[in-house]
Amino acid sequence: AQSVAQPEDQVNVAEGNPLTVKCTYSVSGNPYLFWYVQYPNRGLQFLLKYITGDNLVKGSYGFEAEFNKSQTSFHLKKPSALVSDSALYFCAVRDAGTGGFKTIFGAGTRLFVKA
Amino acid sequence: NAGVMQNPRHLVRRRGQEARLRCSPMKGHSHVYWYRQLPEEGLKFMVYLQKENIIDESGMPKERFSAEFPKEGPSILRIQQVVRGDSAAYFCASSPGTLQGEKAFFGQGTRLTVV
Repeated sequence: AQSVAQPEDQVNVAEGNPLTVKCTYSVSGNPYLFWYVQYPNRGLQFLLKYITGDNLVKGSYGFEAEFNKSQTSFHLKKPSALVSDSALYFCAVRDAGTGGFKTIFGAGTRLFVKA
Repeated sequence: NAGVMQNPRHLVRRRGQEARLRCSPMKGHSHVYWYRQLPEEGLKFMVYLQKENIIDESGMPKERFSAEFPKEGPSILRIQQVVRGDSAAYFCASSPGTLQGEKAFFGQGTRLTVV
């Protein structure tokens, strides 16, 4: 069965500094990996995904994520954080090996960017 | 093309009443997923449906909860005899269902409060 772990409940970063939000996963086959962001009282918005190819994936709002197969990780990064990046971030995985569409989400990491 | 539409946005029910949550997927999408988000928690998978079929309901509580996605009309998540612990945000997502690596589009959620 697939699973996702986001080890940090909260990440605090000063504006202008780089940020990293961690994610590790477990699947039986190859993973399809996603990051979504949730702003207060809103639904989730898609940020980026890894399906195949380059391990470094670029997405919306200047975010990127690096797929590391040996460490089974897919950490979200941004070189320079903005106060408006403060939100709840979810990592998600789909097991390509099963051929299914079920997506499992991590518990979420709350990002606070201080001015 | 309107996004995923959920209604109502807010729903208040007394203990013992029934709650019906509706989700209209994006046009052309045949896959629907329901997730529950409890306060300060992540997204928990509940059920995955295609038109007229439940594909995976492994996240659904065994009692009081049911879901359907009829040939015509929205997907419905139904909670019978609600209890205070059912208070949560319920999110619906949809995807075209043609490629396993596709992203899901989320609605803005229905916030259920049981009083």
